[in-house]
Amino acid sequence: KNEVEQSPQNLTAQEGEFITINCSYSVGISALHWLQQHPGGGIVSLFMLSSGKKKHGRLIATINIQEKHSSLHITASHPRDSAVYICAVYPEKLVFGKGTKLTVNP
Amino acid sequence: NAGVTQTPKFQVLKTGQSMTLQCAQDMNHEYMSWYRQDPGMGLRLIHYSVGAGITDQGEVPNGYNVSRSTTEDFPLRLLSAAPSQTSVYFCASSYSVDIRVVSGANVLTFGAGSRLTVL
Repeated sequence: KNEVEQSPQNLTAQEGEFITINCSYSVGISALHWLQQHPGGGIVSLFMLSSGKKKHGRLIATINIQEKHSSLHITASHPRDSAVYICAVYPEKLVFGKGTKLTVNP
Repeated sequence: NAGVTQTPKFQVLKTGQSMTLQCAQDMNHEYMSWYRQDPGMGLRLIHYSVGAGITDQGEVPNGYNVSRSTTEDFPLRLLSAAPSQTSVYFCASSYSVDIRVVSGANVLTFGAGSRLTVL
């Protein structure tokens, strides 16, 4: 059974800090997704990747297929980045991590 | 407006009642899916579809039925609601969730969610 582990579960940062959220999985996959769930409950997709690195604004996602590990980085964090960040992997069906709750204080 | 429309936003049912959660998308996405989100459990896949006429089970399919008669619609049916089905439900669509199917529309688009309470 594929397990997806995210760390940390909770993260509190000061505005401007560099944030790293980690995702590890146990089986071979063809794609990994990073999602953001806003405090109001809405979910948006941030990235889908299968190798290397992707960047969008202040967000950077990396993946190491051999180590079965991905990281989501946020540079120059801002209070509006406060959300739950969710990793999901696709071996044959989408399997989700339990999320990392990020709070960025001004 | 392009996107995923999910209704209703809130619903209260009594044990044993049936209901249908509606999900519609106007982006011509092939992949549609239903998830439930429970505290401490994260999102869990209920059912999914990779195209009209094709459905498959996810991680937690028991107690739920789906059908995909058109590309646009993917309703989720609760046949006999149970308190264990109290949850927040999300519908999502994409061209594909597999990056091997190359498309600019691979990104998952989620509906706003439906909060279901079964008494």
